[in-house]
Amino acid sequence: EAQVTQNPRYLITVTGKKLTVTCSQNMNHEYMSWYRQDPGLGLRQIYYSMNVEVTDKGDVPEGYKVSRKEKRNFPLILESPSPNQTSLYFCASSFTLGTAQETQYFGPGTRLLVL
Amino acid sequence: SQKIEQNSEALNIQEGKTATLTCNYTNYSPAYLQWYRQDPGRGPVFLLLIRENEKEKRKERLKVTFDTTLKQSLFHITASQPADSATYLCALDRATPLVFGKGTRLSVIA
Repeated sequence: EAQVTQNPRYLITVTGKKLTVTCSQNMNHEYMSWYRQDPGLGLRQIYYSMNVEVTDKGDVPEGYKVSRKEKRNFPLILESPSPNQTSLYFCASSFTLGTAQETQYFGPGTRLLVL
Repeated sequence: SQKIEQNSEALNIQEGKTATLTCNYTNYSPAYLQWYRQDPGRGPVFLLLIRENEKEKRKERLKVTFDTTLKQSLFHITASQPADSATYLCALDRATPLVFGKGTRLSVIA
């Protein structure tokens, strides 16, 4: 089954404790992306990757890191989480046509609470 | 930068009626305009994609129009049902990362 998986689905942590949210897709998509979703603010892009070893900042990259060592995986790293990073996080992937993104497939989401 | 407005935060309609949601954008015309459905706590799910050279696209009870002169897309759900209640997002792209609107929360009342 074609899908994007994220782990963990729920996470409670404390300020400053490094964490990683994993994302994996089995569709051989070039493009992968991380979003956070907050009430009233909609989906905001954190980082994206057009292909292996190619990553770039989205609209709200501060406090986050990513890597793309393999095509299927795109982990999101919070080196020192803070309470303002409490949010619902989504990973997404798609094929690309030139630099335009085709249909995005989203993961199920990771709900993060930073105390 | 590209800005997107979905002109209603929430829309309530009676079952059986046609729901019409609006997506307006500024600046350049996107190569693609996409519509997604999102249920609470879940990831958005793709519904329809319309290209800049297409005026209209249909899928079952769904219809999307794209007017590059008005810089607007309309999303219609005909014969709406309570199961259509969800948040609907539009998204635009042209040689940049996909940009999402904040969504319109649709409630279909039986």
